[in-house]
Amino acid sequence: GQNIDQPTEMTATEGAIVQINCTYQTSGFNGLFWYQQHAGEAPTFLSYNVLDGLEEKGRFSSFLSRSKGYSYLLLKELQMKDSASYLCAVSYNTDKLIFGTGTRLQVFP
Amino acid sequence: GAGVSQSPSNKVTEKGKDVELRCDPISGHTALYWYRQSLGQGLEFLIYFQGNSAPDKSGLPSDRFSAERTGGSVSTLTIQRTQQEDSAVYLCASSLWDDNEQFFGPGTRLTVL
Repeated sequence: GQNIDQPTEMTATEGAIVQINCTYQTSGFNGLFWYQQHAGEAPTFLSYNVLDGLEEKGRFSSFLSRSKGYSYLLLKELQMKDSASYLCAVSYNTDKLIFGTGTRLQVFP
Repeated sequence: GAGVSQSPSNKVTEKGKDVELRCDPISGHTALYWYRQSLGQGLEFLIYFQGNSAPDKSGLPSDRFSAERTGGSVSTLTIQRTQQEDSAVYLCASSLWDDNEQFFGPGTRLTVL
């Protein structure tokens, strides 16, 4: 299989920084996506990593280590509207995008 | 421009009936994906189309599920003899090509009574 593992739930305080980790099986790896999904809505794209390193996009950054099969999504200056599920998804050579079960983030005032 | 659209947005059906779900991808997107999401669960891959062909059908849960895509555009997902465990949100996504950002439609919420 191609298990994607990420924590089920996380909590953080408004204005803080939170890091959501994702591990995956490396065989056949093409690229890694992060999506945000608010309750009752469709997922929306956040980032795509193919090469090792950190990609920064405003308050959100995504990191990838291909050799370790590891990625994280870093959210800075948290806002209440960041409360959502964050989905890690890996593209493999089979042309299939495998999603993790998602990390439900709750931001408290 | 217009995003991915799906119809119907909600479908309630009786066990044993057939249902057809429709997806209109973003114009020009060659890749189209179907996923299923049960309440509180992650996305389950069902099938992927590149143009009109489906290189990977391994995610379809049973032979009651089938999908087609015509003209490299609209796709339909058909579930025959629906069962209660088929109840879920069915999401469609499209992308310009393989291994590229996927744009999701709003989903069809299917309830099988």
